[in-house]
Amino acid sequence: TQLLEQSPQFLSIQEGENLTVYCNSSSVFSSLQWYRQEPGEGPVLLVTVVTGGEVKKLKRLTFQFGDARKDSSLHITAAQPGDTGLYLCAGARHIPTFGRGTSLIVHP
Amino acid sequence: GAGVSQSPSNKVTEKGKDVELRCDPISGHTALYWYRQSLGQGLEFLIYFQGNSAPDKSGLPSDRFSAERTGGSVSTLTIQRTQQEDSAVYLCASSSRGGAGYGYTFGSGTRLTVV
Repeated sequence: TQLLEQSPQFLSIQEGENLTVYCNSSSVFSSLQWYRQEPGEGPVLLVTVVTGGEVKKLKRLTFQFGDARKDSSLHITAAQPGDTGLYLCAGARHIPTFGRGTSLIVHP
Repeated sequence: GAGVSQSPSNKVTEKGKDVELRCDPISGHTALYWYRQSLGQGLEFLIYFQGNSAPDKSGLPSDRFSAERTGGSVSTLTIQRTQQEDSAVYLCASSSRGGAGYGYTFGSGTRLTVV
């Protein structure tokens, strides 16, 4: 059983579209992180959310942590080809627990 | 160094051979993690080192897997008698502090192929 469920698993969109990916769990986390991974590279940290209900913005990316600290979402506005990659969420525990990721392709 | 360095970047080995994968973390980072990433399976935790404490080996899939960290810096992951199911990307990450909520810096990984 995967502790963190990410959806959708795959997403293929055109440049300029908006999208949202989700990270859900039945467990409460003290914080949650989002990473982006490009082919042949390791994941790169995008953001850490800590407080229930918290919203953080990173340019065209908006991250939200659920009120109960069990889920999170990542919204990308006007997606660009450079946003292509695998988006991973990680729940903070003694050992970080990762979801399986959402693979995003943005076509020019 | 400026980032986490892993070597080799690619390794092809014959089934039954032993392999060693190296991770050079960011200088001063006390926490070091090894993960394995297979297609469609996400990141699977293998082992965690924190300072001089005994490592958390709870994620190692079998006794063929072992890891050590010398002098609180460089770590080596060893896989003995490799099997085809060991084929994956092995990722190392370090953090200035272990535990929840701290950002982790990953290396680019070692892609292991067992033929």
